[in-house]
Amino acid sequence: DQQVKQNSPSLSVQEGRISILNCDYTNSMFDYFLWYKKYPAEGPTFLISISSIKDKNEDGRFTVFLNKSAKHLSLHIVPSQPGDSAVYFCAASVGSGGSNYKLTFGKGTLLTVNP
Amino acid sequence: ETGVTQTPRHLVMGMTNKKSLKCEQHLGHNAMYWYKQSAKKPLELMFVYSLEERVENNSVPSRFSPECPNSSHLFLHLHTLQPEDSALYLCASSLTRTSTYEQYFGPGTRLTVT
Repeated sequence: DQQVKQNSPSLSVQEGRISILNCDYTNSMFDYFLWYKKYPAEGPTFLISISSIKDKNEDGRFTVFLNKSAKHLSLHIVPSQPGDSAVYFCAASVGSGGSNYKLTFGKGTLLTVNP
Repeated sequence: ETGVTQTPRHLVMGMTNKKSLKCEQHLGHNAMYWYKQSAKKPLELMFVYSLEERVENNSVPSRFSPECPNSSHLFLHLHTLQPEDSALYLCASSLTRTSTYEQYFGPGTRLTVT
């Protein structure tokens, strides 16, 4: 049973427009969420995170929104650039307790930004 | 060299072979992780080491045997694998074993079991 779901395997957007990547989770104990980006032949790299005490976190062109009641988070990239083309993974953890290093990942969404 | 490195990058082995995957981090981190990514599946955590002590074994079969001789090196010893073990094996490290410290991943080893 997948606890973190990225229901869109792929997304294609035009350069300069907004990219919105979605993630849903089922475990109500998750309270820390992360996005990772992965280029081919490279390992995932950390992009941005959000704690459940917030509903928004922004870092440059990247903003993550968290809707706890809907158990939904999204990553907004604006404006999108061709270099943003990659697989984006959503991950979640239970921040409290001794196992908060355990990240549960979604399957990823392949974003393609067309010039 | 900086960051997290993994060798080999690609490995093909038969079911009766014994091989080892190596991971090295030059970031001064105290926690290291092995993940498995099978086709069309999410990354799955396999093992976690903190200060060279194994703190997590996520129900991984005994044909996978991790070793952490020091905080900079992590190995995954493989023996009598099955074809379904073919996957991308990723190593990661973090400052400490808490998710609030980001995990830095290596490029992975693409393993094919024939």
